[in-house]
Amino acid sequence: SAVISQKPSRDICQRGTSLTIQCQVDSQVTMMFWYRQQPGQSLTLIATANQGSEATYESGFVIDKFPISRPNLTFSTLTVSNMSPEDSSIYLCSAGQGGGYEQFFGPGTRLTVL
Amino acid sequence: RKEVEQDPGPFNVPEGATVAFNCTYSNSASQSFFWYRQDCRKEPKLLMSVYSSGNEDGRFTAQLNRASQYISLLIRDSKLSDSATYLCVVNGAGGTSYGKLTFGQGTILTVHP
Repeated sequence: SAVISQKPSRDICQRGTSLTIQCQVDSQVTMMFWYRQQPGQSLTLIATANQGSEATYESGFVIDKFPISRPNLTFSTLTVSNMSPEDSSIYLCSAGQGGGYEQFFGPGTRLTVL
Repeated sequence: RKEVEQDPGPFNVPEGATVAFNCTYSNSASQSFFWYRQDCRKEPKLLMSVYSSGNEDGRFTAQLNRASQYISLLIRDSKLSDSATYLCVVNGAGGTSYGKLTFGQGTILTVHP
């Protein structure tokens, strides 16, 4: 299994600002993903972070709002841009070897937007 | 129909009880299946993969019925520490490409003394 860390673990931000969340994996992985978990709900996939190319976004999520980088096989960032209170959520990154294999999750970033 | 649907719960059971969770998925082309466990304010953690032949890990047994598109998790001799939300997770469901996970809404289990 992979060990995944995220920074920051939590933040409180003002509306209109942006926050970049970092995700670091302790080993090289094929796939990295970003999820959102809103209060009392399950996880929703935001996008697949592709190494060396643009991320693949799920329906309802766009690059202008959630730009993602993945410069190498162990690191990715998610930016939540021009935040509003509706963006208050937990953001989790995950990693795995792709295909039918399981994914392992980081501890999450708890974001509150005032 | 939701891509992955679970028993709504919550389940409240005494220590030592046996409890079963059910899950259905909509895409017959789904490739692999998992149960994750999520404790309050924590990230999901893999509990077990689910194989067509069924698999067991200690007190936990998972079953998959591809014909009925149905997954189950059985917990025997429940412990207080089993209290958590159990997430049914499907790989490749709902037309998404292979490698992406779709999560059920989760079933809350509380084991009481």
